[in-house]
Amino acid sequence: AQTVTQSQPEMSVQEAETVTLSCTYDTSESDYYLFWYKQPPSRQMILVIRQEAYKQQNATENRFSVNFQKAAKSFSLKISDSQLGDAAMYFCAYRYYGGSQGNLIFGKGTKLSVKP
Amino acid sequence: DAGVTQSPTHLIKTRGQQVTLRCSPKSGHDTVSWYQQALGQGPQFIFQYYEEEERQRGNFPDRFSGHQFPNYSSELNVNALLLGDSALYLCASSRLASDTQYFGPGTRLTVL
Repeated sequence: AQTVTQSQPEMSVQEAETVTLSCTYDTSESDYYLFWYKQPPSRQMILVIRQEAYKQQNATENRFSVNFQKAAKSFSLKISDSQLGDAAMYFCAYRYYGGSQGNLIFGKGTKLSVKP
Repeated sequence: DAGVTQSPTHLIKTRGQQVTLRCSPKSGHDTVSWYQQALGQGPQFIFQYYEEEERQRGNFPDRFSGHQFPNYSSELNVNALLLGDSALYLCASSRLASDTQYFGPGTRLTVL
């Protein structure tokens, strides 16, 4: 069974600094997607970034980028120039690429605090 | 373009009661997935609906059931509520061929 592990329950960063959130996963599949979702106190789960496993190039969305290491099954999220609005729970998620398996498998999350 | 909507926002029930939660998918989406998020945990997959049929189910008992309507909206029903059913229930929609699920704001269910 696939699993997603986030080993950092909490992280803290100074405003304008850079922070990296860690995620590892376990799967025997070769084709899959990986995601980072953000969940602020408002509770709505917001997609931050997506990575296709067949792509070697790391995904980037503005201040957010990932370091995808397929062989190591590692998928970290880097937030540059951190802003107060980045404070939230961050969840790493896995989804198998093919067939009828449409479900996301989530880690337990990392709570990110941003200090002014 | 309206995103995923859910109702109600909050709900309080007592043990043994039944509850129905509702979800309207994002425009253009035909697949709806439901997740349960216990306090301090990541979401857990309950089931997914496409073409008004349950396509995939997670490890949840039969007390959890659902329905999808022709307009793609969906309901989650939970019977014989237990204290442990207290959680945030999230609905997510997607195009079947698409990999990305977009989430609604959730329904907070409290069972007393």
